[in-house]
Amino acid sequence: ILNVEQSPQSLHVQEGDSTNFTCSFPSSNFYALHWYRWETAKSPEALFVMTLNGDEKKKGRISATLNTKEGYSYLYIKGSQPEDSATYLCAPIKAAGNKLTFGGGTRVLVKP
Amino acid sequence: DAGITQSPRYKITETGRQVTLMCHQTWSHSYMFWYRQDLGHGLRLIYYSAAADITDKGEVPDGYVVSRSKTENFPLTLESATRSQTSVYFCASRAGTSGYEQYFGPGTRLTVT
Repeated sequence: ILNVEQSPQSLHVQEGDSTNFTCSFPSSNFYALHWYRWETAKSPEALFVMTLNGDEKKKGRISATLNTKEGYSYLYIKGSQPEDSATYLCAPIKAAGNKLTFGGGTRVLVKP
Repeated sequence: DAGITQSPRYKITETGRQVTLMCHQTWSHSYMFWYRQDLGHGLRLIYYSAAADITDKGEVPDGYVVSRSKTENFPLTLESATRSQTSVYFCASRAGTSGYEQYFGPGTRLTVT
């Protein structure tokens, strides 16, 4: 079982502010990293699948970077809106593995 | 409808009873997964399947049984339900290798009394 840590566990952001949070994972045998967005009472939805060191992905106001050598990924939300309120999950996959191991998530609450 | 569905969406059962949660996907995805959502643990993998007739244990398989006779279906059976199995269960599917994103079903809220 991979040790996946997400920090902080939760954060409150004022509408319009930007924020970022971290996913840390073992750097050995890295294959890919998934990010998911999970709104309350809904099911998780994929944001990004990242595979290359230095990779940057963007979807609207949300972007992510990946450092496979040191084992971390940052997810950024620019100009947060109330609809960005959700739990953001990361899940790395080891080489030749098929299973995602989810971190505990960062719960983001955007206050109007 | 296209997509991934779960049934039932809500289930209350008694301790010791057998209960089966159904998962159906219409994409012909090769991989399917069962997770449970627990406070303090996030999403934990119960079982997964790489193809029809191929299944493997995840992080928390004890007390659960799966089968996959058809690509589109992946039922999860609790052989003798316990209160600790009260949870929300999510099924997911994925097209292929780990580079593909997973699609989650709407979840089944199971309460064991």
